Amino acid sequence: DAGVIQSPRHEVTEMGQEVTLRCKPISGHNSLFWYRQTMMRGLELLIYFNNNVPIDDSGMPEDRFSAKMPNASFSTLKIQPSEPRDSAVYFCASRTGTGGFYEQYFGPGTRLTVT
Amino acid sequence: GENVEQHPSTLSVQEGDSAVIKCTYSDSASNYFPWYKQELGKGPQLIIDIRSNVGEKKDQRIAVTLNKTAKHFSLHITETQPEDSAVYFCAAFMEYGNKLVFGAGTILRVKS
Repeated sequence: DAGVIQSPRHEVTEMGQEVTLRCKPISGHNSLFWYRQTMMRGLELLIYFNNNVPIDDSGMPEDRFSAKMPNASFSTLKIQPSEPRDSAVYFCASRTGTGGFYEQYFGPGTRLTVT
Repeated sequence: GENVEQHPSTLSVQEGDSAVIKCTYSDSASNYFPWYKQELGKGPQLIIDIRSNVGEKKDQRIAVTLNKTAKHFSLHITETQPEDSAVYFCAAFMEYGNKLVFGAGTILRVKS
């Protein structure tokens, strides 16, 4: 299996621009998670989906952030408009099962720089 | 809510020595505790996990122990090698919320 796939791997954009990050979970996994990692705040859960349905978006920092999962094999995280403080590494992770203790796997991340 | 404390934040050991990282959690209902290793420029990689029905699990040079009464679990790496240098994260599965809660991470440096 190719694992969790994220694109792009690096994104540099100017403040005010729209940014879209993409994720393809592991085939057969039905839970998908978006995390943000910074030195100051560590690994933060932004939102997660079970069976393509958003379950908990309490970690989404502001209305500028939105996430969708139109089907079981694709999800996007959008920031509009972007700000310099959004600079971070964004990870997508997926897991089989919607509850209990199932192994969760991370993608390689997207390093976002907003200037 | 669930909280996971991880110590130490940095750990430096000599090659061949052992390394121990400790975590405590607050939710007594937590029943799954994975450990992740993150190398520079990569995503966290699951290296070992333990479920609440066992007290210890080993996989070659790494082992994890769990004390449910005290609500703490530890990662043990024996015979450390330079390639073990990375950031290690512990996590606890929170039944309420159905998600993993991560510790802040430990930077492990293995000196050769």
